[in-house]
Amino acid sequence: GAGVSQTPSNKVTEKGKYVELRCDPISGHTALYWYRQSLGQGPEFLIYFQGTGAADDSGLPNDRFFAVRPEGSVSTLKIQRTERGDSAVYLCASSSGSSGANVLTFGAGSRLTVL
Amino acid sequence: AQKITQTQPGMFVQEKEAVTLDCTYDTSDQSYGLFWYKQPSSGEMIFLIYQGSYDEQNATEGRYSLNFQKARKSANLVISASQLGDSAMYFCAMREGITSGTYKYIFGTGTRLKVLA
Repeated sequence: GAGVSQTPSNKVTEKGKYVELRCDPISGHTALYWYRQSLGQGPEFLIYFQGTGAADDSGLPNDRFFAVRPEGSVSTLKIQRTERGDSAVYLCASSSGSSGANVLTFGAGSRLTVL
Repeated sequence: AQKITQTQPGMFVQEKEAVTLDCTYDTSDQSYGLFWYKQPSSGEMIFLIYQGSYDEQNATEGRYSLNFQKARKSANLVISASQLGDSAMYFCAMREGITSGTYKYIFGTGTRLKVLA
């Protein structure tokens, strides 16, 4: 696609529920990143995929968070047993490769609100 | 320890004036990249400018320039001739691990810039 697409744009859920957030990167981009941004803060790294594999998942806060990218394109961030502290904007970004100058192109984000 | 430090939570600048947004970074890598992004109130992250650690010249992109001082580990963003549309959050980011292949991008906490008419 022309840009990075994230769905849903807004998700309101209740504490304890399961949510999935989807990211469709720019066609051909091999690298895909998930970030979490709380109000007034910078993006916080969660996980990075190179192709289908998670190259670095050191930012996932706990085992309630999981992400997949089964075919090396679309990725899904999955959050189990949501907590109020999970409320944030979840940003997805993609880039075309491994060069140091590779720019991340971000999606518009998925705003998650846990009541 | 913070990898990216932006010490100015908020800045004001008069329209048509220049403004410098500070960024310092911490890495032991020899090869890394530095980026600046703009985030307007709409929420999208917009790439502005990139500086590689081996680049000898400061990067420039239109009204944006990056004042890169490697020894001091600083990568300040200079916006010349500020416009009202420049009002936004600005994030400094570093990509380290290029040599080791980790490719992680770390962001600072941001500076909110307000351009005054």
